[in-house]
Amino acid sequence: GAGVSQSPSNKVTEKGKDVELRCDPISGHTALYWYRQSLGQGLEFLIYFQGNSAPDKSGLPSDRFSAERTGGSVSTLTIQRTQQEDSAVYLCASSVLGENGETQYFGPGTRLLVL
Amino acid sequence: AQSVTQLGSHVSVSEGALVLLRCNYSSSVPPYLFWYVQYPNQGLQLLLKYTTGATLVKGINGFEAEFKKSETSFHLTKPSAHMSDAAEYFCAVMRSGGYQKVTFGTGTKLQVIP
Repeated sequence: GAGVSQSPSNKVTEKGKDVELRCDPISGHTALYWYRQSLGQGLEFLIYFQGNSAPDKSGLPSDRFSAERTGGSVSTLTIQRTQQEDSAVYLCASSVLGENGETQYFGPGTRLLVL
Repeated sequence: AQSVTQLGSHVSVSEGALVLLRCNYSSSVPPYLFWYVQYPNQGLQLLLKYTTGATLVKGINGFEAEFKKSETSFHLTKPSAHMSDAAEYFCAVMRSGGYQKVTFGTGTKLQVIP
């Protein structure tokens, strides 16, 4: 079956511009997570959505970052007024609770470069 | 609060040699533990996970890991390294129960020397 997909795979933007990153989770997965992977910071949790509950935004680094999840499926991570330190790989993961607990499945990531 | 420590940011082994990647965790509640692998320019792929039950967990590509509560460790091993194992490996911890964010270690890059 199809895995988690993300688009674009690569994005180059200029400092100060806004960007939108998209994530399509695995069908039927109710939870969706965004992580960021950057040099020197490793993998950091950003935000997560679960069903109709309020999202956990505790990992968002600043108010320039926001995310939406429409219809319990596709999610968009928006970064406003991008800065060079936002350059990173943004990874999306989706999951569902099974008999053996939760396992998060990751997409290939979006590589963002802010010039 | 949870944390993961991976000893050694870079590990080199000869092809056919034992692979041992070390991971120690800290968790205030019973954890779920994971190993993920990341090949260049790709996303994270789940190798194996421990939730409950048997402490020796077998994963894909011949890897296994053993959960040792007394040592708070979850080291990853493979008896014989293959060139295709060259990648970056991440140990991760999650609180058990419900949906939880994952806390990752800083990663270990494995180099396999022919």
